[in-house]
Amino acid sequence: SQQGEEDPQALSIQEGENATMNCSYKTSINNLQWYRQNSGRGLVHLILIRSNEREKHSGRLRVTLDTSKKSSSLLITASRAADTASYFCATVNRDDKIIFGKGTRLHILP
Amino acid sequence: ETGVTQTPRHLVMGMTNKKSLKCEQHLGHNAMYWYKQSAKKPLELMFVYSLEERVENNSVPSRFSPECPNSSHLFLHLHTLQPEDSALYLCASSQDLVDTGELFFGEGSRLTVL
Repeated sequence: SQQGEEDPQALSIQEGENATMNCSYKTSINNLQWYRQNSGRGLVHLILIRSNEREKHSGRLRVTLDTSKKSSSLLITASRAADTASYFCATVNRDDKIIFGKGTRLHILP
Repeated sequence: ETGVTQTPRHLVMGMTNKKSLKCEQHLGHNAMYWYKQSAKKPLELMFVYSLEERVENNSVPSRFSPECPNSSHLFLHLHTLQPEDSALYLCASSQDLVDTGELFFGEGSRLTVL
């Protein structure tokens, strides 16, 4: 069954702007991960945030986690054309099952 | 050399053919996974292997048959597939199943069933 649900399904922004994607889930988790997928390629791990963490940074990426609302957000600052891709959240629950959402398609306009 | 390698990258087969997808990981990981990615659907977990033992089979039809001869190699044998099986098949590995961390994915095998 699906766990993570990304929002929005698709997002188009101008290069240089910030992009924010959200993920909501239903059951308790051990950690939540964000992945990126370029068209027709494999997924690439971006960042992992554990259930006892609230915020994490990696370069231009900022991830927040609110376990009380069962939601997470991924912020990409100062977007670039190369950021055009699909972004997926994946939740790892107490049974160590990993479940992916449907993803957000991000398009950076020149 | 990439961490997880999948071959072939593209495969076209008829419904009566038998083919196999291969995955190899060079990361020393103990867990390997097969995922199916169809258009407009979430990634579907098909099979999970830990230390060469199958630990999960998510109600996958028997026309898909996995094989894990050792912790570095994973195969997906395909037989009598249907057109709706056309999809991107992704292999992934992780260090362990317990306290699962980052998954490392291959580039996928794009399968088209005619």
